[in-house]
Amino acid sequence: GQQVMQIPQYQHVQEGEDFTTYCNSSTTLSNIQWYKQRPGGHPVFLIQLVKSGEVKKQKRLTFQFGEAKKNSSLHITATQTTDVGTYFCAGPGSSNYKLTFGKGTLLTVNP
Amino acid sequence: DGGITQSPKYLFRKEGQNVTLSCEQNLNHDAMYWYRQDPGQGLRLIYYSQIVNDFQKGDIAEGYSVSREKKESFPLTVTSAQKNPTAFYLCASSRWEDRGYTFGSGTRLTVV
Repeated sequence: GQQVMQIPQYQHVQEGEDFTTYCNSSTTLSNIQWYKQRPGGHPVFLIQLVKSGEVKKQKRLTFQFGEAKKNSSLHITATQTTDVGTYFCAGPGSSNYKLTFGKGTLLTVNP
Repeated sequence: DGGITQSPKYLFRKEGQNVTLSCEQNLNHDAMYWYRQDPGQGLRLIYYSQIVNDFQKGDIAEGYSVSREKKESFPLTVTSAQKNPTAFYLCASSRWEDRGYTFGSGTRLTVV
């Protein structure tokens, strides 16, 4: 079945440093989604990428979808303590309704 | 405001007992989902439903059951057959198009 892999599993940074998490799928994806889960909270939808090579920005967050639509990345510029949490990527499987999530990258930020 | 309500937030049960987790949404979403989250395991799909009176097994359906009698409701029953039921359970919903999921705040189930 489809697998979605994320690296790194953990990342600790000093406030102000940049952060990147990478996502790779075993199959070509029609779209990829990113979610953020704060400690003790629930996942919150951040963005969806659909087009090959697509790049989208949300303030300090930059999301990219690979040309082959099998990989994606999330880059945060100048991290803040509010960025702490686990970032998940997710892609649809055999059904567009059924998302397969990566195991996530836990980001901690030292103030 | 529209959203998904999961109740209760914390639930304790004795081993061997069935327990039902509630999930209600007022977003008019067609599809609903149940995920289980364990530390370091990410989110694993238990069951999902695209329309009323229809649902499909996810990757880890053994020991669980669901029903979808109303569009707004998708309760999950954790049966005594589930070997490791202690976990964080998340309900989610989405619309027809490829759009992001909206998650509920989750239920933390502890079986002792």
